[in-house]
Amino acid sequence: GESVGLHLPTLSVQEGDNSIINCAYSNSASDYFIWYKQESGKGPQFIIDIRSNMDKRQGQRVTVLLNKTVKHLSLQIAATQPGDSAVYFCAEVATFDRGSTLGRLYFGRGTQLTVWP
Amino acid sequence: SQTIHQWPATLVQPVGSPLSLECTVEGTSNPNLYWYRQAAGRGLQLLFYSVGIGQISSEVPQNLSASRPQDRQFILSSKKLLLSDSGFYLCAWSVRISGANVLTFGAGSRLTVL
Repeated sequence: GESVGLHLPTLSVQEGDNSIINCAYSNSASDYFIWYKQESGKGPQFIIDIRSNMDKRQGQRVTVLLNKTVKHLSLQIAATQPGDSAVYFCAEVATFDRGSTLGRLYFGRGTQLTVWP
Repeated sequence: SQTIHQWPATLVQPVGSPLSLECTVEGTSNPNLYWYRQAAGRGLQLLFYSVGIGQISSEVPQNLSASRPQDRQFILSSKKLLLSDSGFYLCAWSVRISGANVLTFGAGSRLTVL
């Protein structure tokens, strides 16, 4: 089955520093990944996605890097702010849904990011 | 714009009691609908998904069931709750457009079984 995991369960950074959150996946056939942010007591919110034909994608203050050789994803947050404190999940779209209208997501365990002043 | 509603937001139920969590989506047609469960400090586990009215698929064996009586309504149920059913339940919807597929989640329903 699908397997997505994270290297570190917690990350603490100082406000203004850059944050890097890592994620490993096991299925070499996976071709679409999504990062979500979940604030305490709320549902996850989409941050950024990336397909396997790319190795980098940038959004507003966030960059996702994909290394298919080692099956590793990272989410970089520039100039981290207190509002970035949350749990961050990487998720993998089920490969067996490729070509269908369904796209099940399988999530890693999550990394708790804490930003201190 | 599309919105997704879940209720109740919190629920405390005794073991052996029934459960009904409801999810509705507005502003879209024929969405794929999903139920996820999140145990404390853990990731999200996919429980059920539905591609249309009356079409339910289960991802894992469990004490829960799901139903989709209307296009934009998804219900999670149990006849008799177990302690292990406690968790944060999240409903999500998606529509695949141009190859992209992003799940949008509701605010969640926190269930405590005592």
